[in-house]
Parts: sequence; C-alpha cells; structure tokens
Amino acid sequence: DIQMTQSPSTLSASVGDRVTITCRASQSISSWLAWYQQKPGKAPKLLIYKASNLESGVPSRFGGSESGTEFTLTISSLQPDDFASYYCQQYHSYPGVFGQGTKLEVK
Amino acid sequence: EVQLVESGGGLVQPGGSLRLSCAASGFTVSSYWMSWVRQAPGKRPEWVANVKQDGSEKYYVDSVKGRFTISRDNAKNSLYLQMNSLRVEDTAMYYCVRGGQGDQLICRIWGQGTLVTVSS
Repeated sequence: DIQMTQSPSTLSASVGDRVTITCRASQSISSWLAWYQQKPGKAPKLLIYKASNLESGVPSRFGGSESGTEFTLTISSLQPDDFASYYCQQYHSYPGVFGQGTKLEVK
Repeated sequence: EVQLVESGGGLVQPGGSLRLSCAASGFTVSSYWMSWVRQAPGKRPEWVANVKQDGSEKYYVDSVKGRFTISRDNAKNSLYLQMNSLRVEDTAMYYCVRGGQGDQLICRIWGQGTLVTVSS
C-alpha cells in the first residue's frame, strides 16, 4: 500500500496567519491527492482535489500544490472557521489511504 | 440538495452482523462510484469498500475482505454494507460517500455517518 505521511500533527496559529500542511507519499501518485477538512462531530469535507483544484464553494484562501511526491495545503489568511482537522488522501490506487491528520488549533 | 443519510448502526457483539444502509437524494447514485469510509474515534478515516456505477466491480480494504459485502440498488438510489463476523477493531463511525464518475476513490460527498460499536 502507498503510505501517506502528514505533518505536523498539530499546528497552533492565529487568525490572519498563513499556514502550511504537508503530505508526503511513499511512491508516485501523480496528482491524485485530495485534502479534506473535518470539524468535531462532523463528516470530512472535500476542499481540494487533484492536488491543486479547489472544490466548488471552498474559499479561495485555501490552496494546494505539489512537488514530486510532496503535497502542500496552504491557508493564506486563517479565519475563525478554519480551526479544524485536515487530512490528505491519495486516490491513485487502492486502498486510498488517508494521512494521519493535522489538528489546526488556536494559538 | 445533495444528501446521503446512513442508518443501521448500533451495538453488536463480536462475531455478530449488521447491515448498513445509505439513502441518497438530490442526485442519481447510478452515475457515481459509491464507497463506505470508516473512522475510529480519534483516528484518521479509512476507506473500506466501493462499488462501480453498475455494480460490476467491487473493491475492499484487506482487513474486511471475506467479511463485508458492499452492494447498491440504483432503483432505490441506495447503497448498503453487510458486515459479518464483526470484530472489536471494526468499531467506528461509518460514512457513506459519493465518489466521482471516473475517480473511484475520491470522497466528494459524505453522509453524516452511522456509529457501529462492537463490544461484549
């Protein structure tokens, strides 16, 4: 199975900050990488697909990029609604593994 | 409004069975790959199984092969997961997920989940 290593596991930040979360695949997944946001007690929500494509309705402060097998989720200016957990997922091949997650908390 | 509503979760003893159902509205399931994804408390999501639009292809994570069966009824716009020989480690929130029309594993739309607890 392809392994997805996500970092950091916890990130403390303030409203207005620019934050970056990284996900590294154990082998090539081309651009088949998605990012999800999850709030407590809720289902995950798709933010970005194919590494850098913003899902409809997602604010433009969210962005994704890739460099080889390393993928990055960037929030350009944190808003209060963005404090949540974030997961990457490779959907290149079965079994579609998710990263360990990053909890974005208030500093 | 596009919506997925799961049902059928509950408390079951190890070795027992449960059948999860997912009712879709606001779209036609027959156009999409459909999946079940589970998430144990405090853990990352784990893709469990999916099924192609016409039901001709089904895939499972290794840990549930031979125990779980995914199925769909396009006429009822519904998805199912039959879970047999349940283990304590199957305890999780189970989400019904709409995939893509071509992308088999992406999770575009999620239901609210149904909780499965396996315990004696």
